[in-house]
Amino acid sequence: NAGVTQTPKFRVLKTGQSMTLLCAQDMNHEYMYWYRQDPGMGLRLIHYSVGEGTTAKGEVPDGYNVSRLKKQNFLLGLESAAPSQTSVYFCASSTSASFKNIQYFGAGTRLSVL
Amino acid sequence: DAKTTQPPSMDCAEGRAANLPCNHSTISGNEYVYWYRQIHSQGPQYIIHGLKNNETNEMASLIITEDRKSSTLILPHATLRDTAVYYCIVRVPQGAQKLVFGQGTRLTINP
Repeated sequence: NAGVTQTPKFRVLKTGQSMTLLCAQDMNHEYMYWYRQDPGMGLRLIHYSVGEGTTAKGEVPDGYNVSRLKKQNFLLGLESAAPSQTSVYFCASSTSASFKNIQYFGAGTRLSVL
Repeated sequence: DAKTTQPPSMDCAEGRAANLPCNHSTISGNEYVYWYRQIHSQGPQYIIHGLKNNETNEMASLIITEDRKSSTLILPHATLRDTAVYYCIVRVPQGAQKLVFGQGTRLTINP
């Protein structure tokens, strides 16, 4: 059981380049999330989704777009990367089916924008 | 979500019990206490959660005071692999909500 898988694990971009981070979960979870974590700081929510075909903004959505075309996948896009987007990105998922709402996290994607 | 307060760092000897405190004096009646940890460079990992009764699972025990204003996470026999930042989070369990990670407690297990 893989859980939450993020690809790629590492990436270096030049300012202005674009890229897509992929998150895949095999737990049939309804909810999925994208967070970023800057050095020495806690996680901040970028965007989230409550189901296939839905997305919503978190607390730091600017400069990012997301899509949830399939229930198991949640894509995070950077249209024009900036050095301020250098960070570690974590994807998470959770189910609405239990009264626990535990979020399960991927291993992270380390992104550097030069 | 209620605010939590944790000590910034703690040390514990390997094999001993690690007791991590958390204050959440403004917790509401329908909010649960969750604990996560983040081992260096890894994604956060769920440990345990509870409402008002003490809870135990294969990883840890959670002790919540009767007034629910504070709690303690107990790792009964700490190992070097338990070195991590531990986060106490208070929230309602329903819905797709962000996890608010404060500064947490950096726990170092010493050999």
